[in-house]
Amino acid sequence: DADVTQTPRNRITKTGKRIMLECSQTKGHDRMYWYRQDPGLGLRLIYYSFDVKDINKGEISDGYSVSRQAQAKFSLSLESAIPNQTALYFCATSPTGGTDTQYFGPGTRLTVL
Amino acid sequence: GDSVTQMEGPVTLSEEACLTINCTYTATGYPSLFWYVQYPGEGLQLLLKATKADDKGSNKGFEATYRKETTSFHLEKGSVQVSDSAVYFCALTSGSARQLTFGSGTQLTVLP
Repeated sequence: DADVTQTPRNRITKTGKRIMLECSQTKGHDRMYWYRQDPGLGLRLIYYSFDVKDINKGEISDGYSVSRQAQAKFSLSLESAIPNQTALYFCATSPTGGTDTQYFGPGTRLTVL
Repeated sequence: GDSVTQMEGPVTLSEEACLTINCTYTATGYPSLFWYVQYPGEGLQLLLKATKADDKGSNKGFEATYRKETTSFHLEKGSVQVSDSAVYFCALTSGSARQLTFGSGTQLTVLP
């Protein structure tokens, strides 16, 4: 079984809709991250969490919110989706005090029409 | 702020050719450096890493050396295979947040 899972894997939605992307991990890591990938731009950090009570904004947090429901679960929400949020979204985890290696989920492809 | 600049693609090579993908960085402090690989339809996987100056990371025939004097971390492989076709990302972590800062990625296609 995959260590970092994301649901859904693909989602098509309409402008103005609320949508939630979910991430679960079985690696036992404290740190979790949400990134978005756009063609030619690499990955950019949206939010990150170092433990259940710690949530931090990343480079591009506007229009997004997150919830860390448990050590193993970190959800990303788009309160009112807009077309320029169409992207590939990745969740990642890393252990505290490790060598900064992050472990990525398979991604969610989101299309906002 | 921190940034990573990597060689633009796409890069197309014949099987058994030599590969170099250039990567340079700007960062405060002492970053750790990484190469991640993304195969078609998949998430990113760590390919190799180096955590201090002059360290060499290696994996699957790929190598990269952390060069502090030139702020570079170029990816090299002596003989590429068709199965190496993927997008390669150079990245670094630094500061208290230890977040990854990525380059824009380089698409590699290896032809038989």
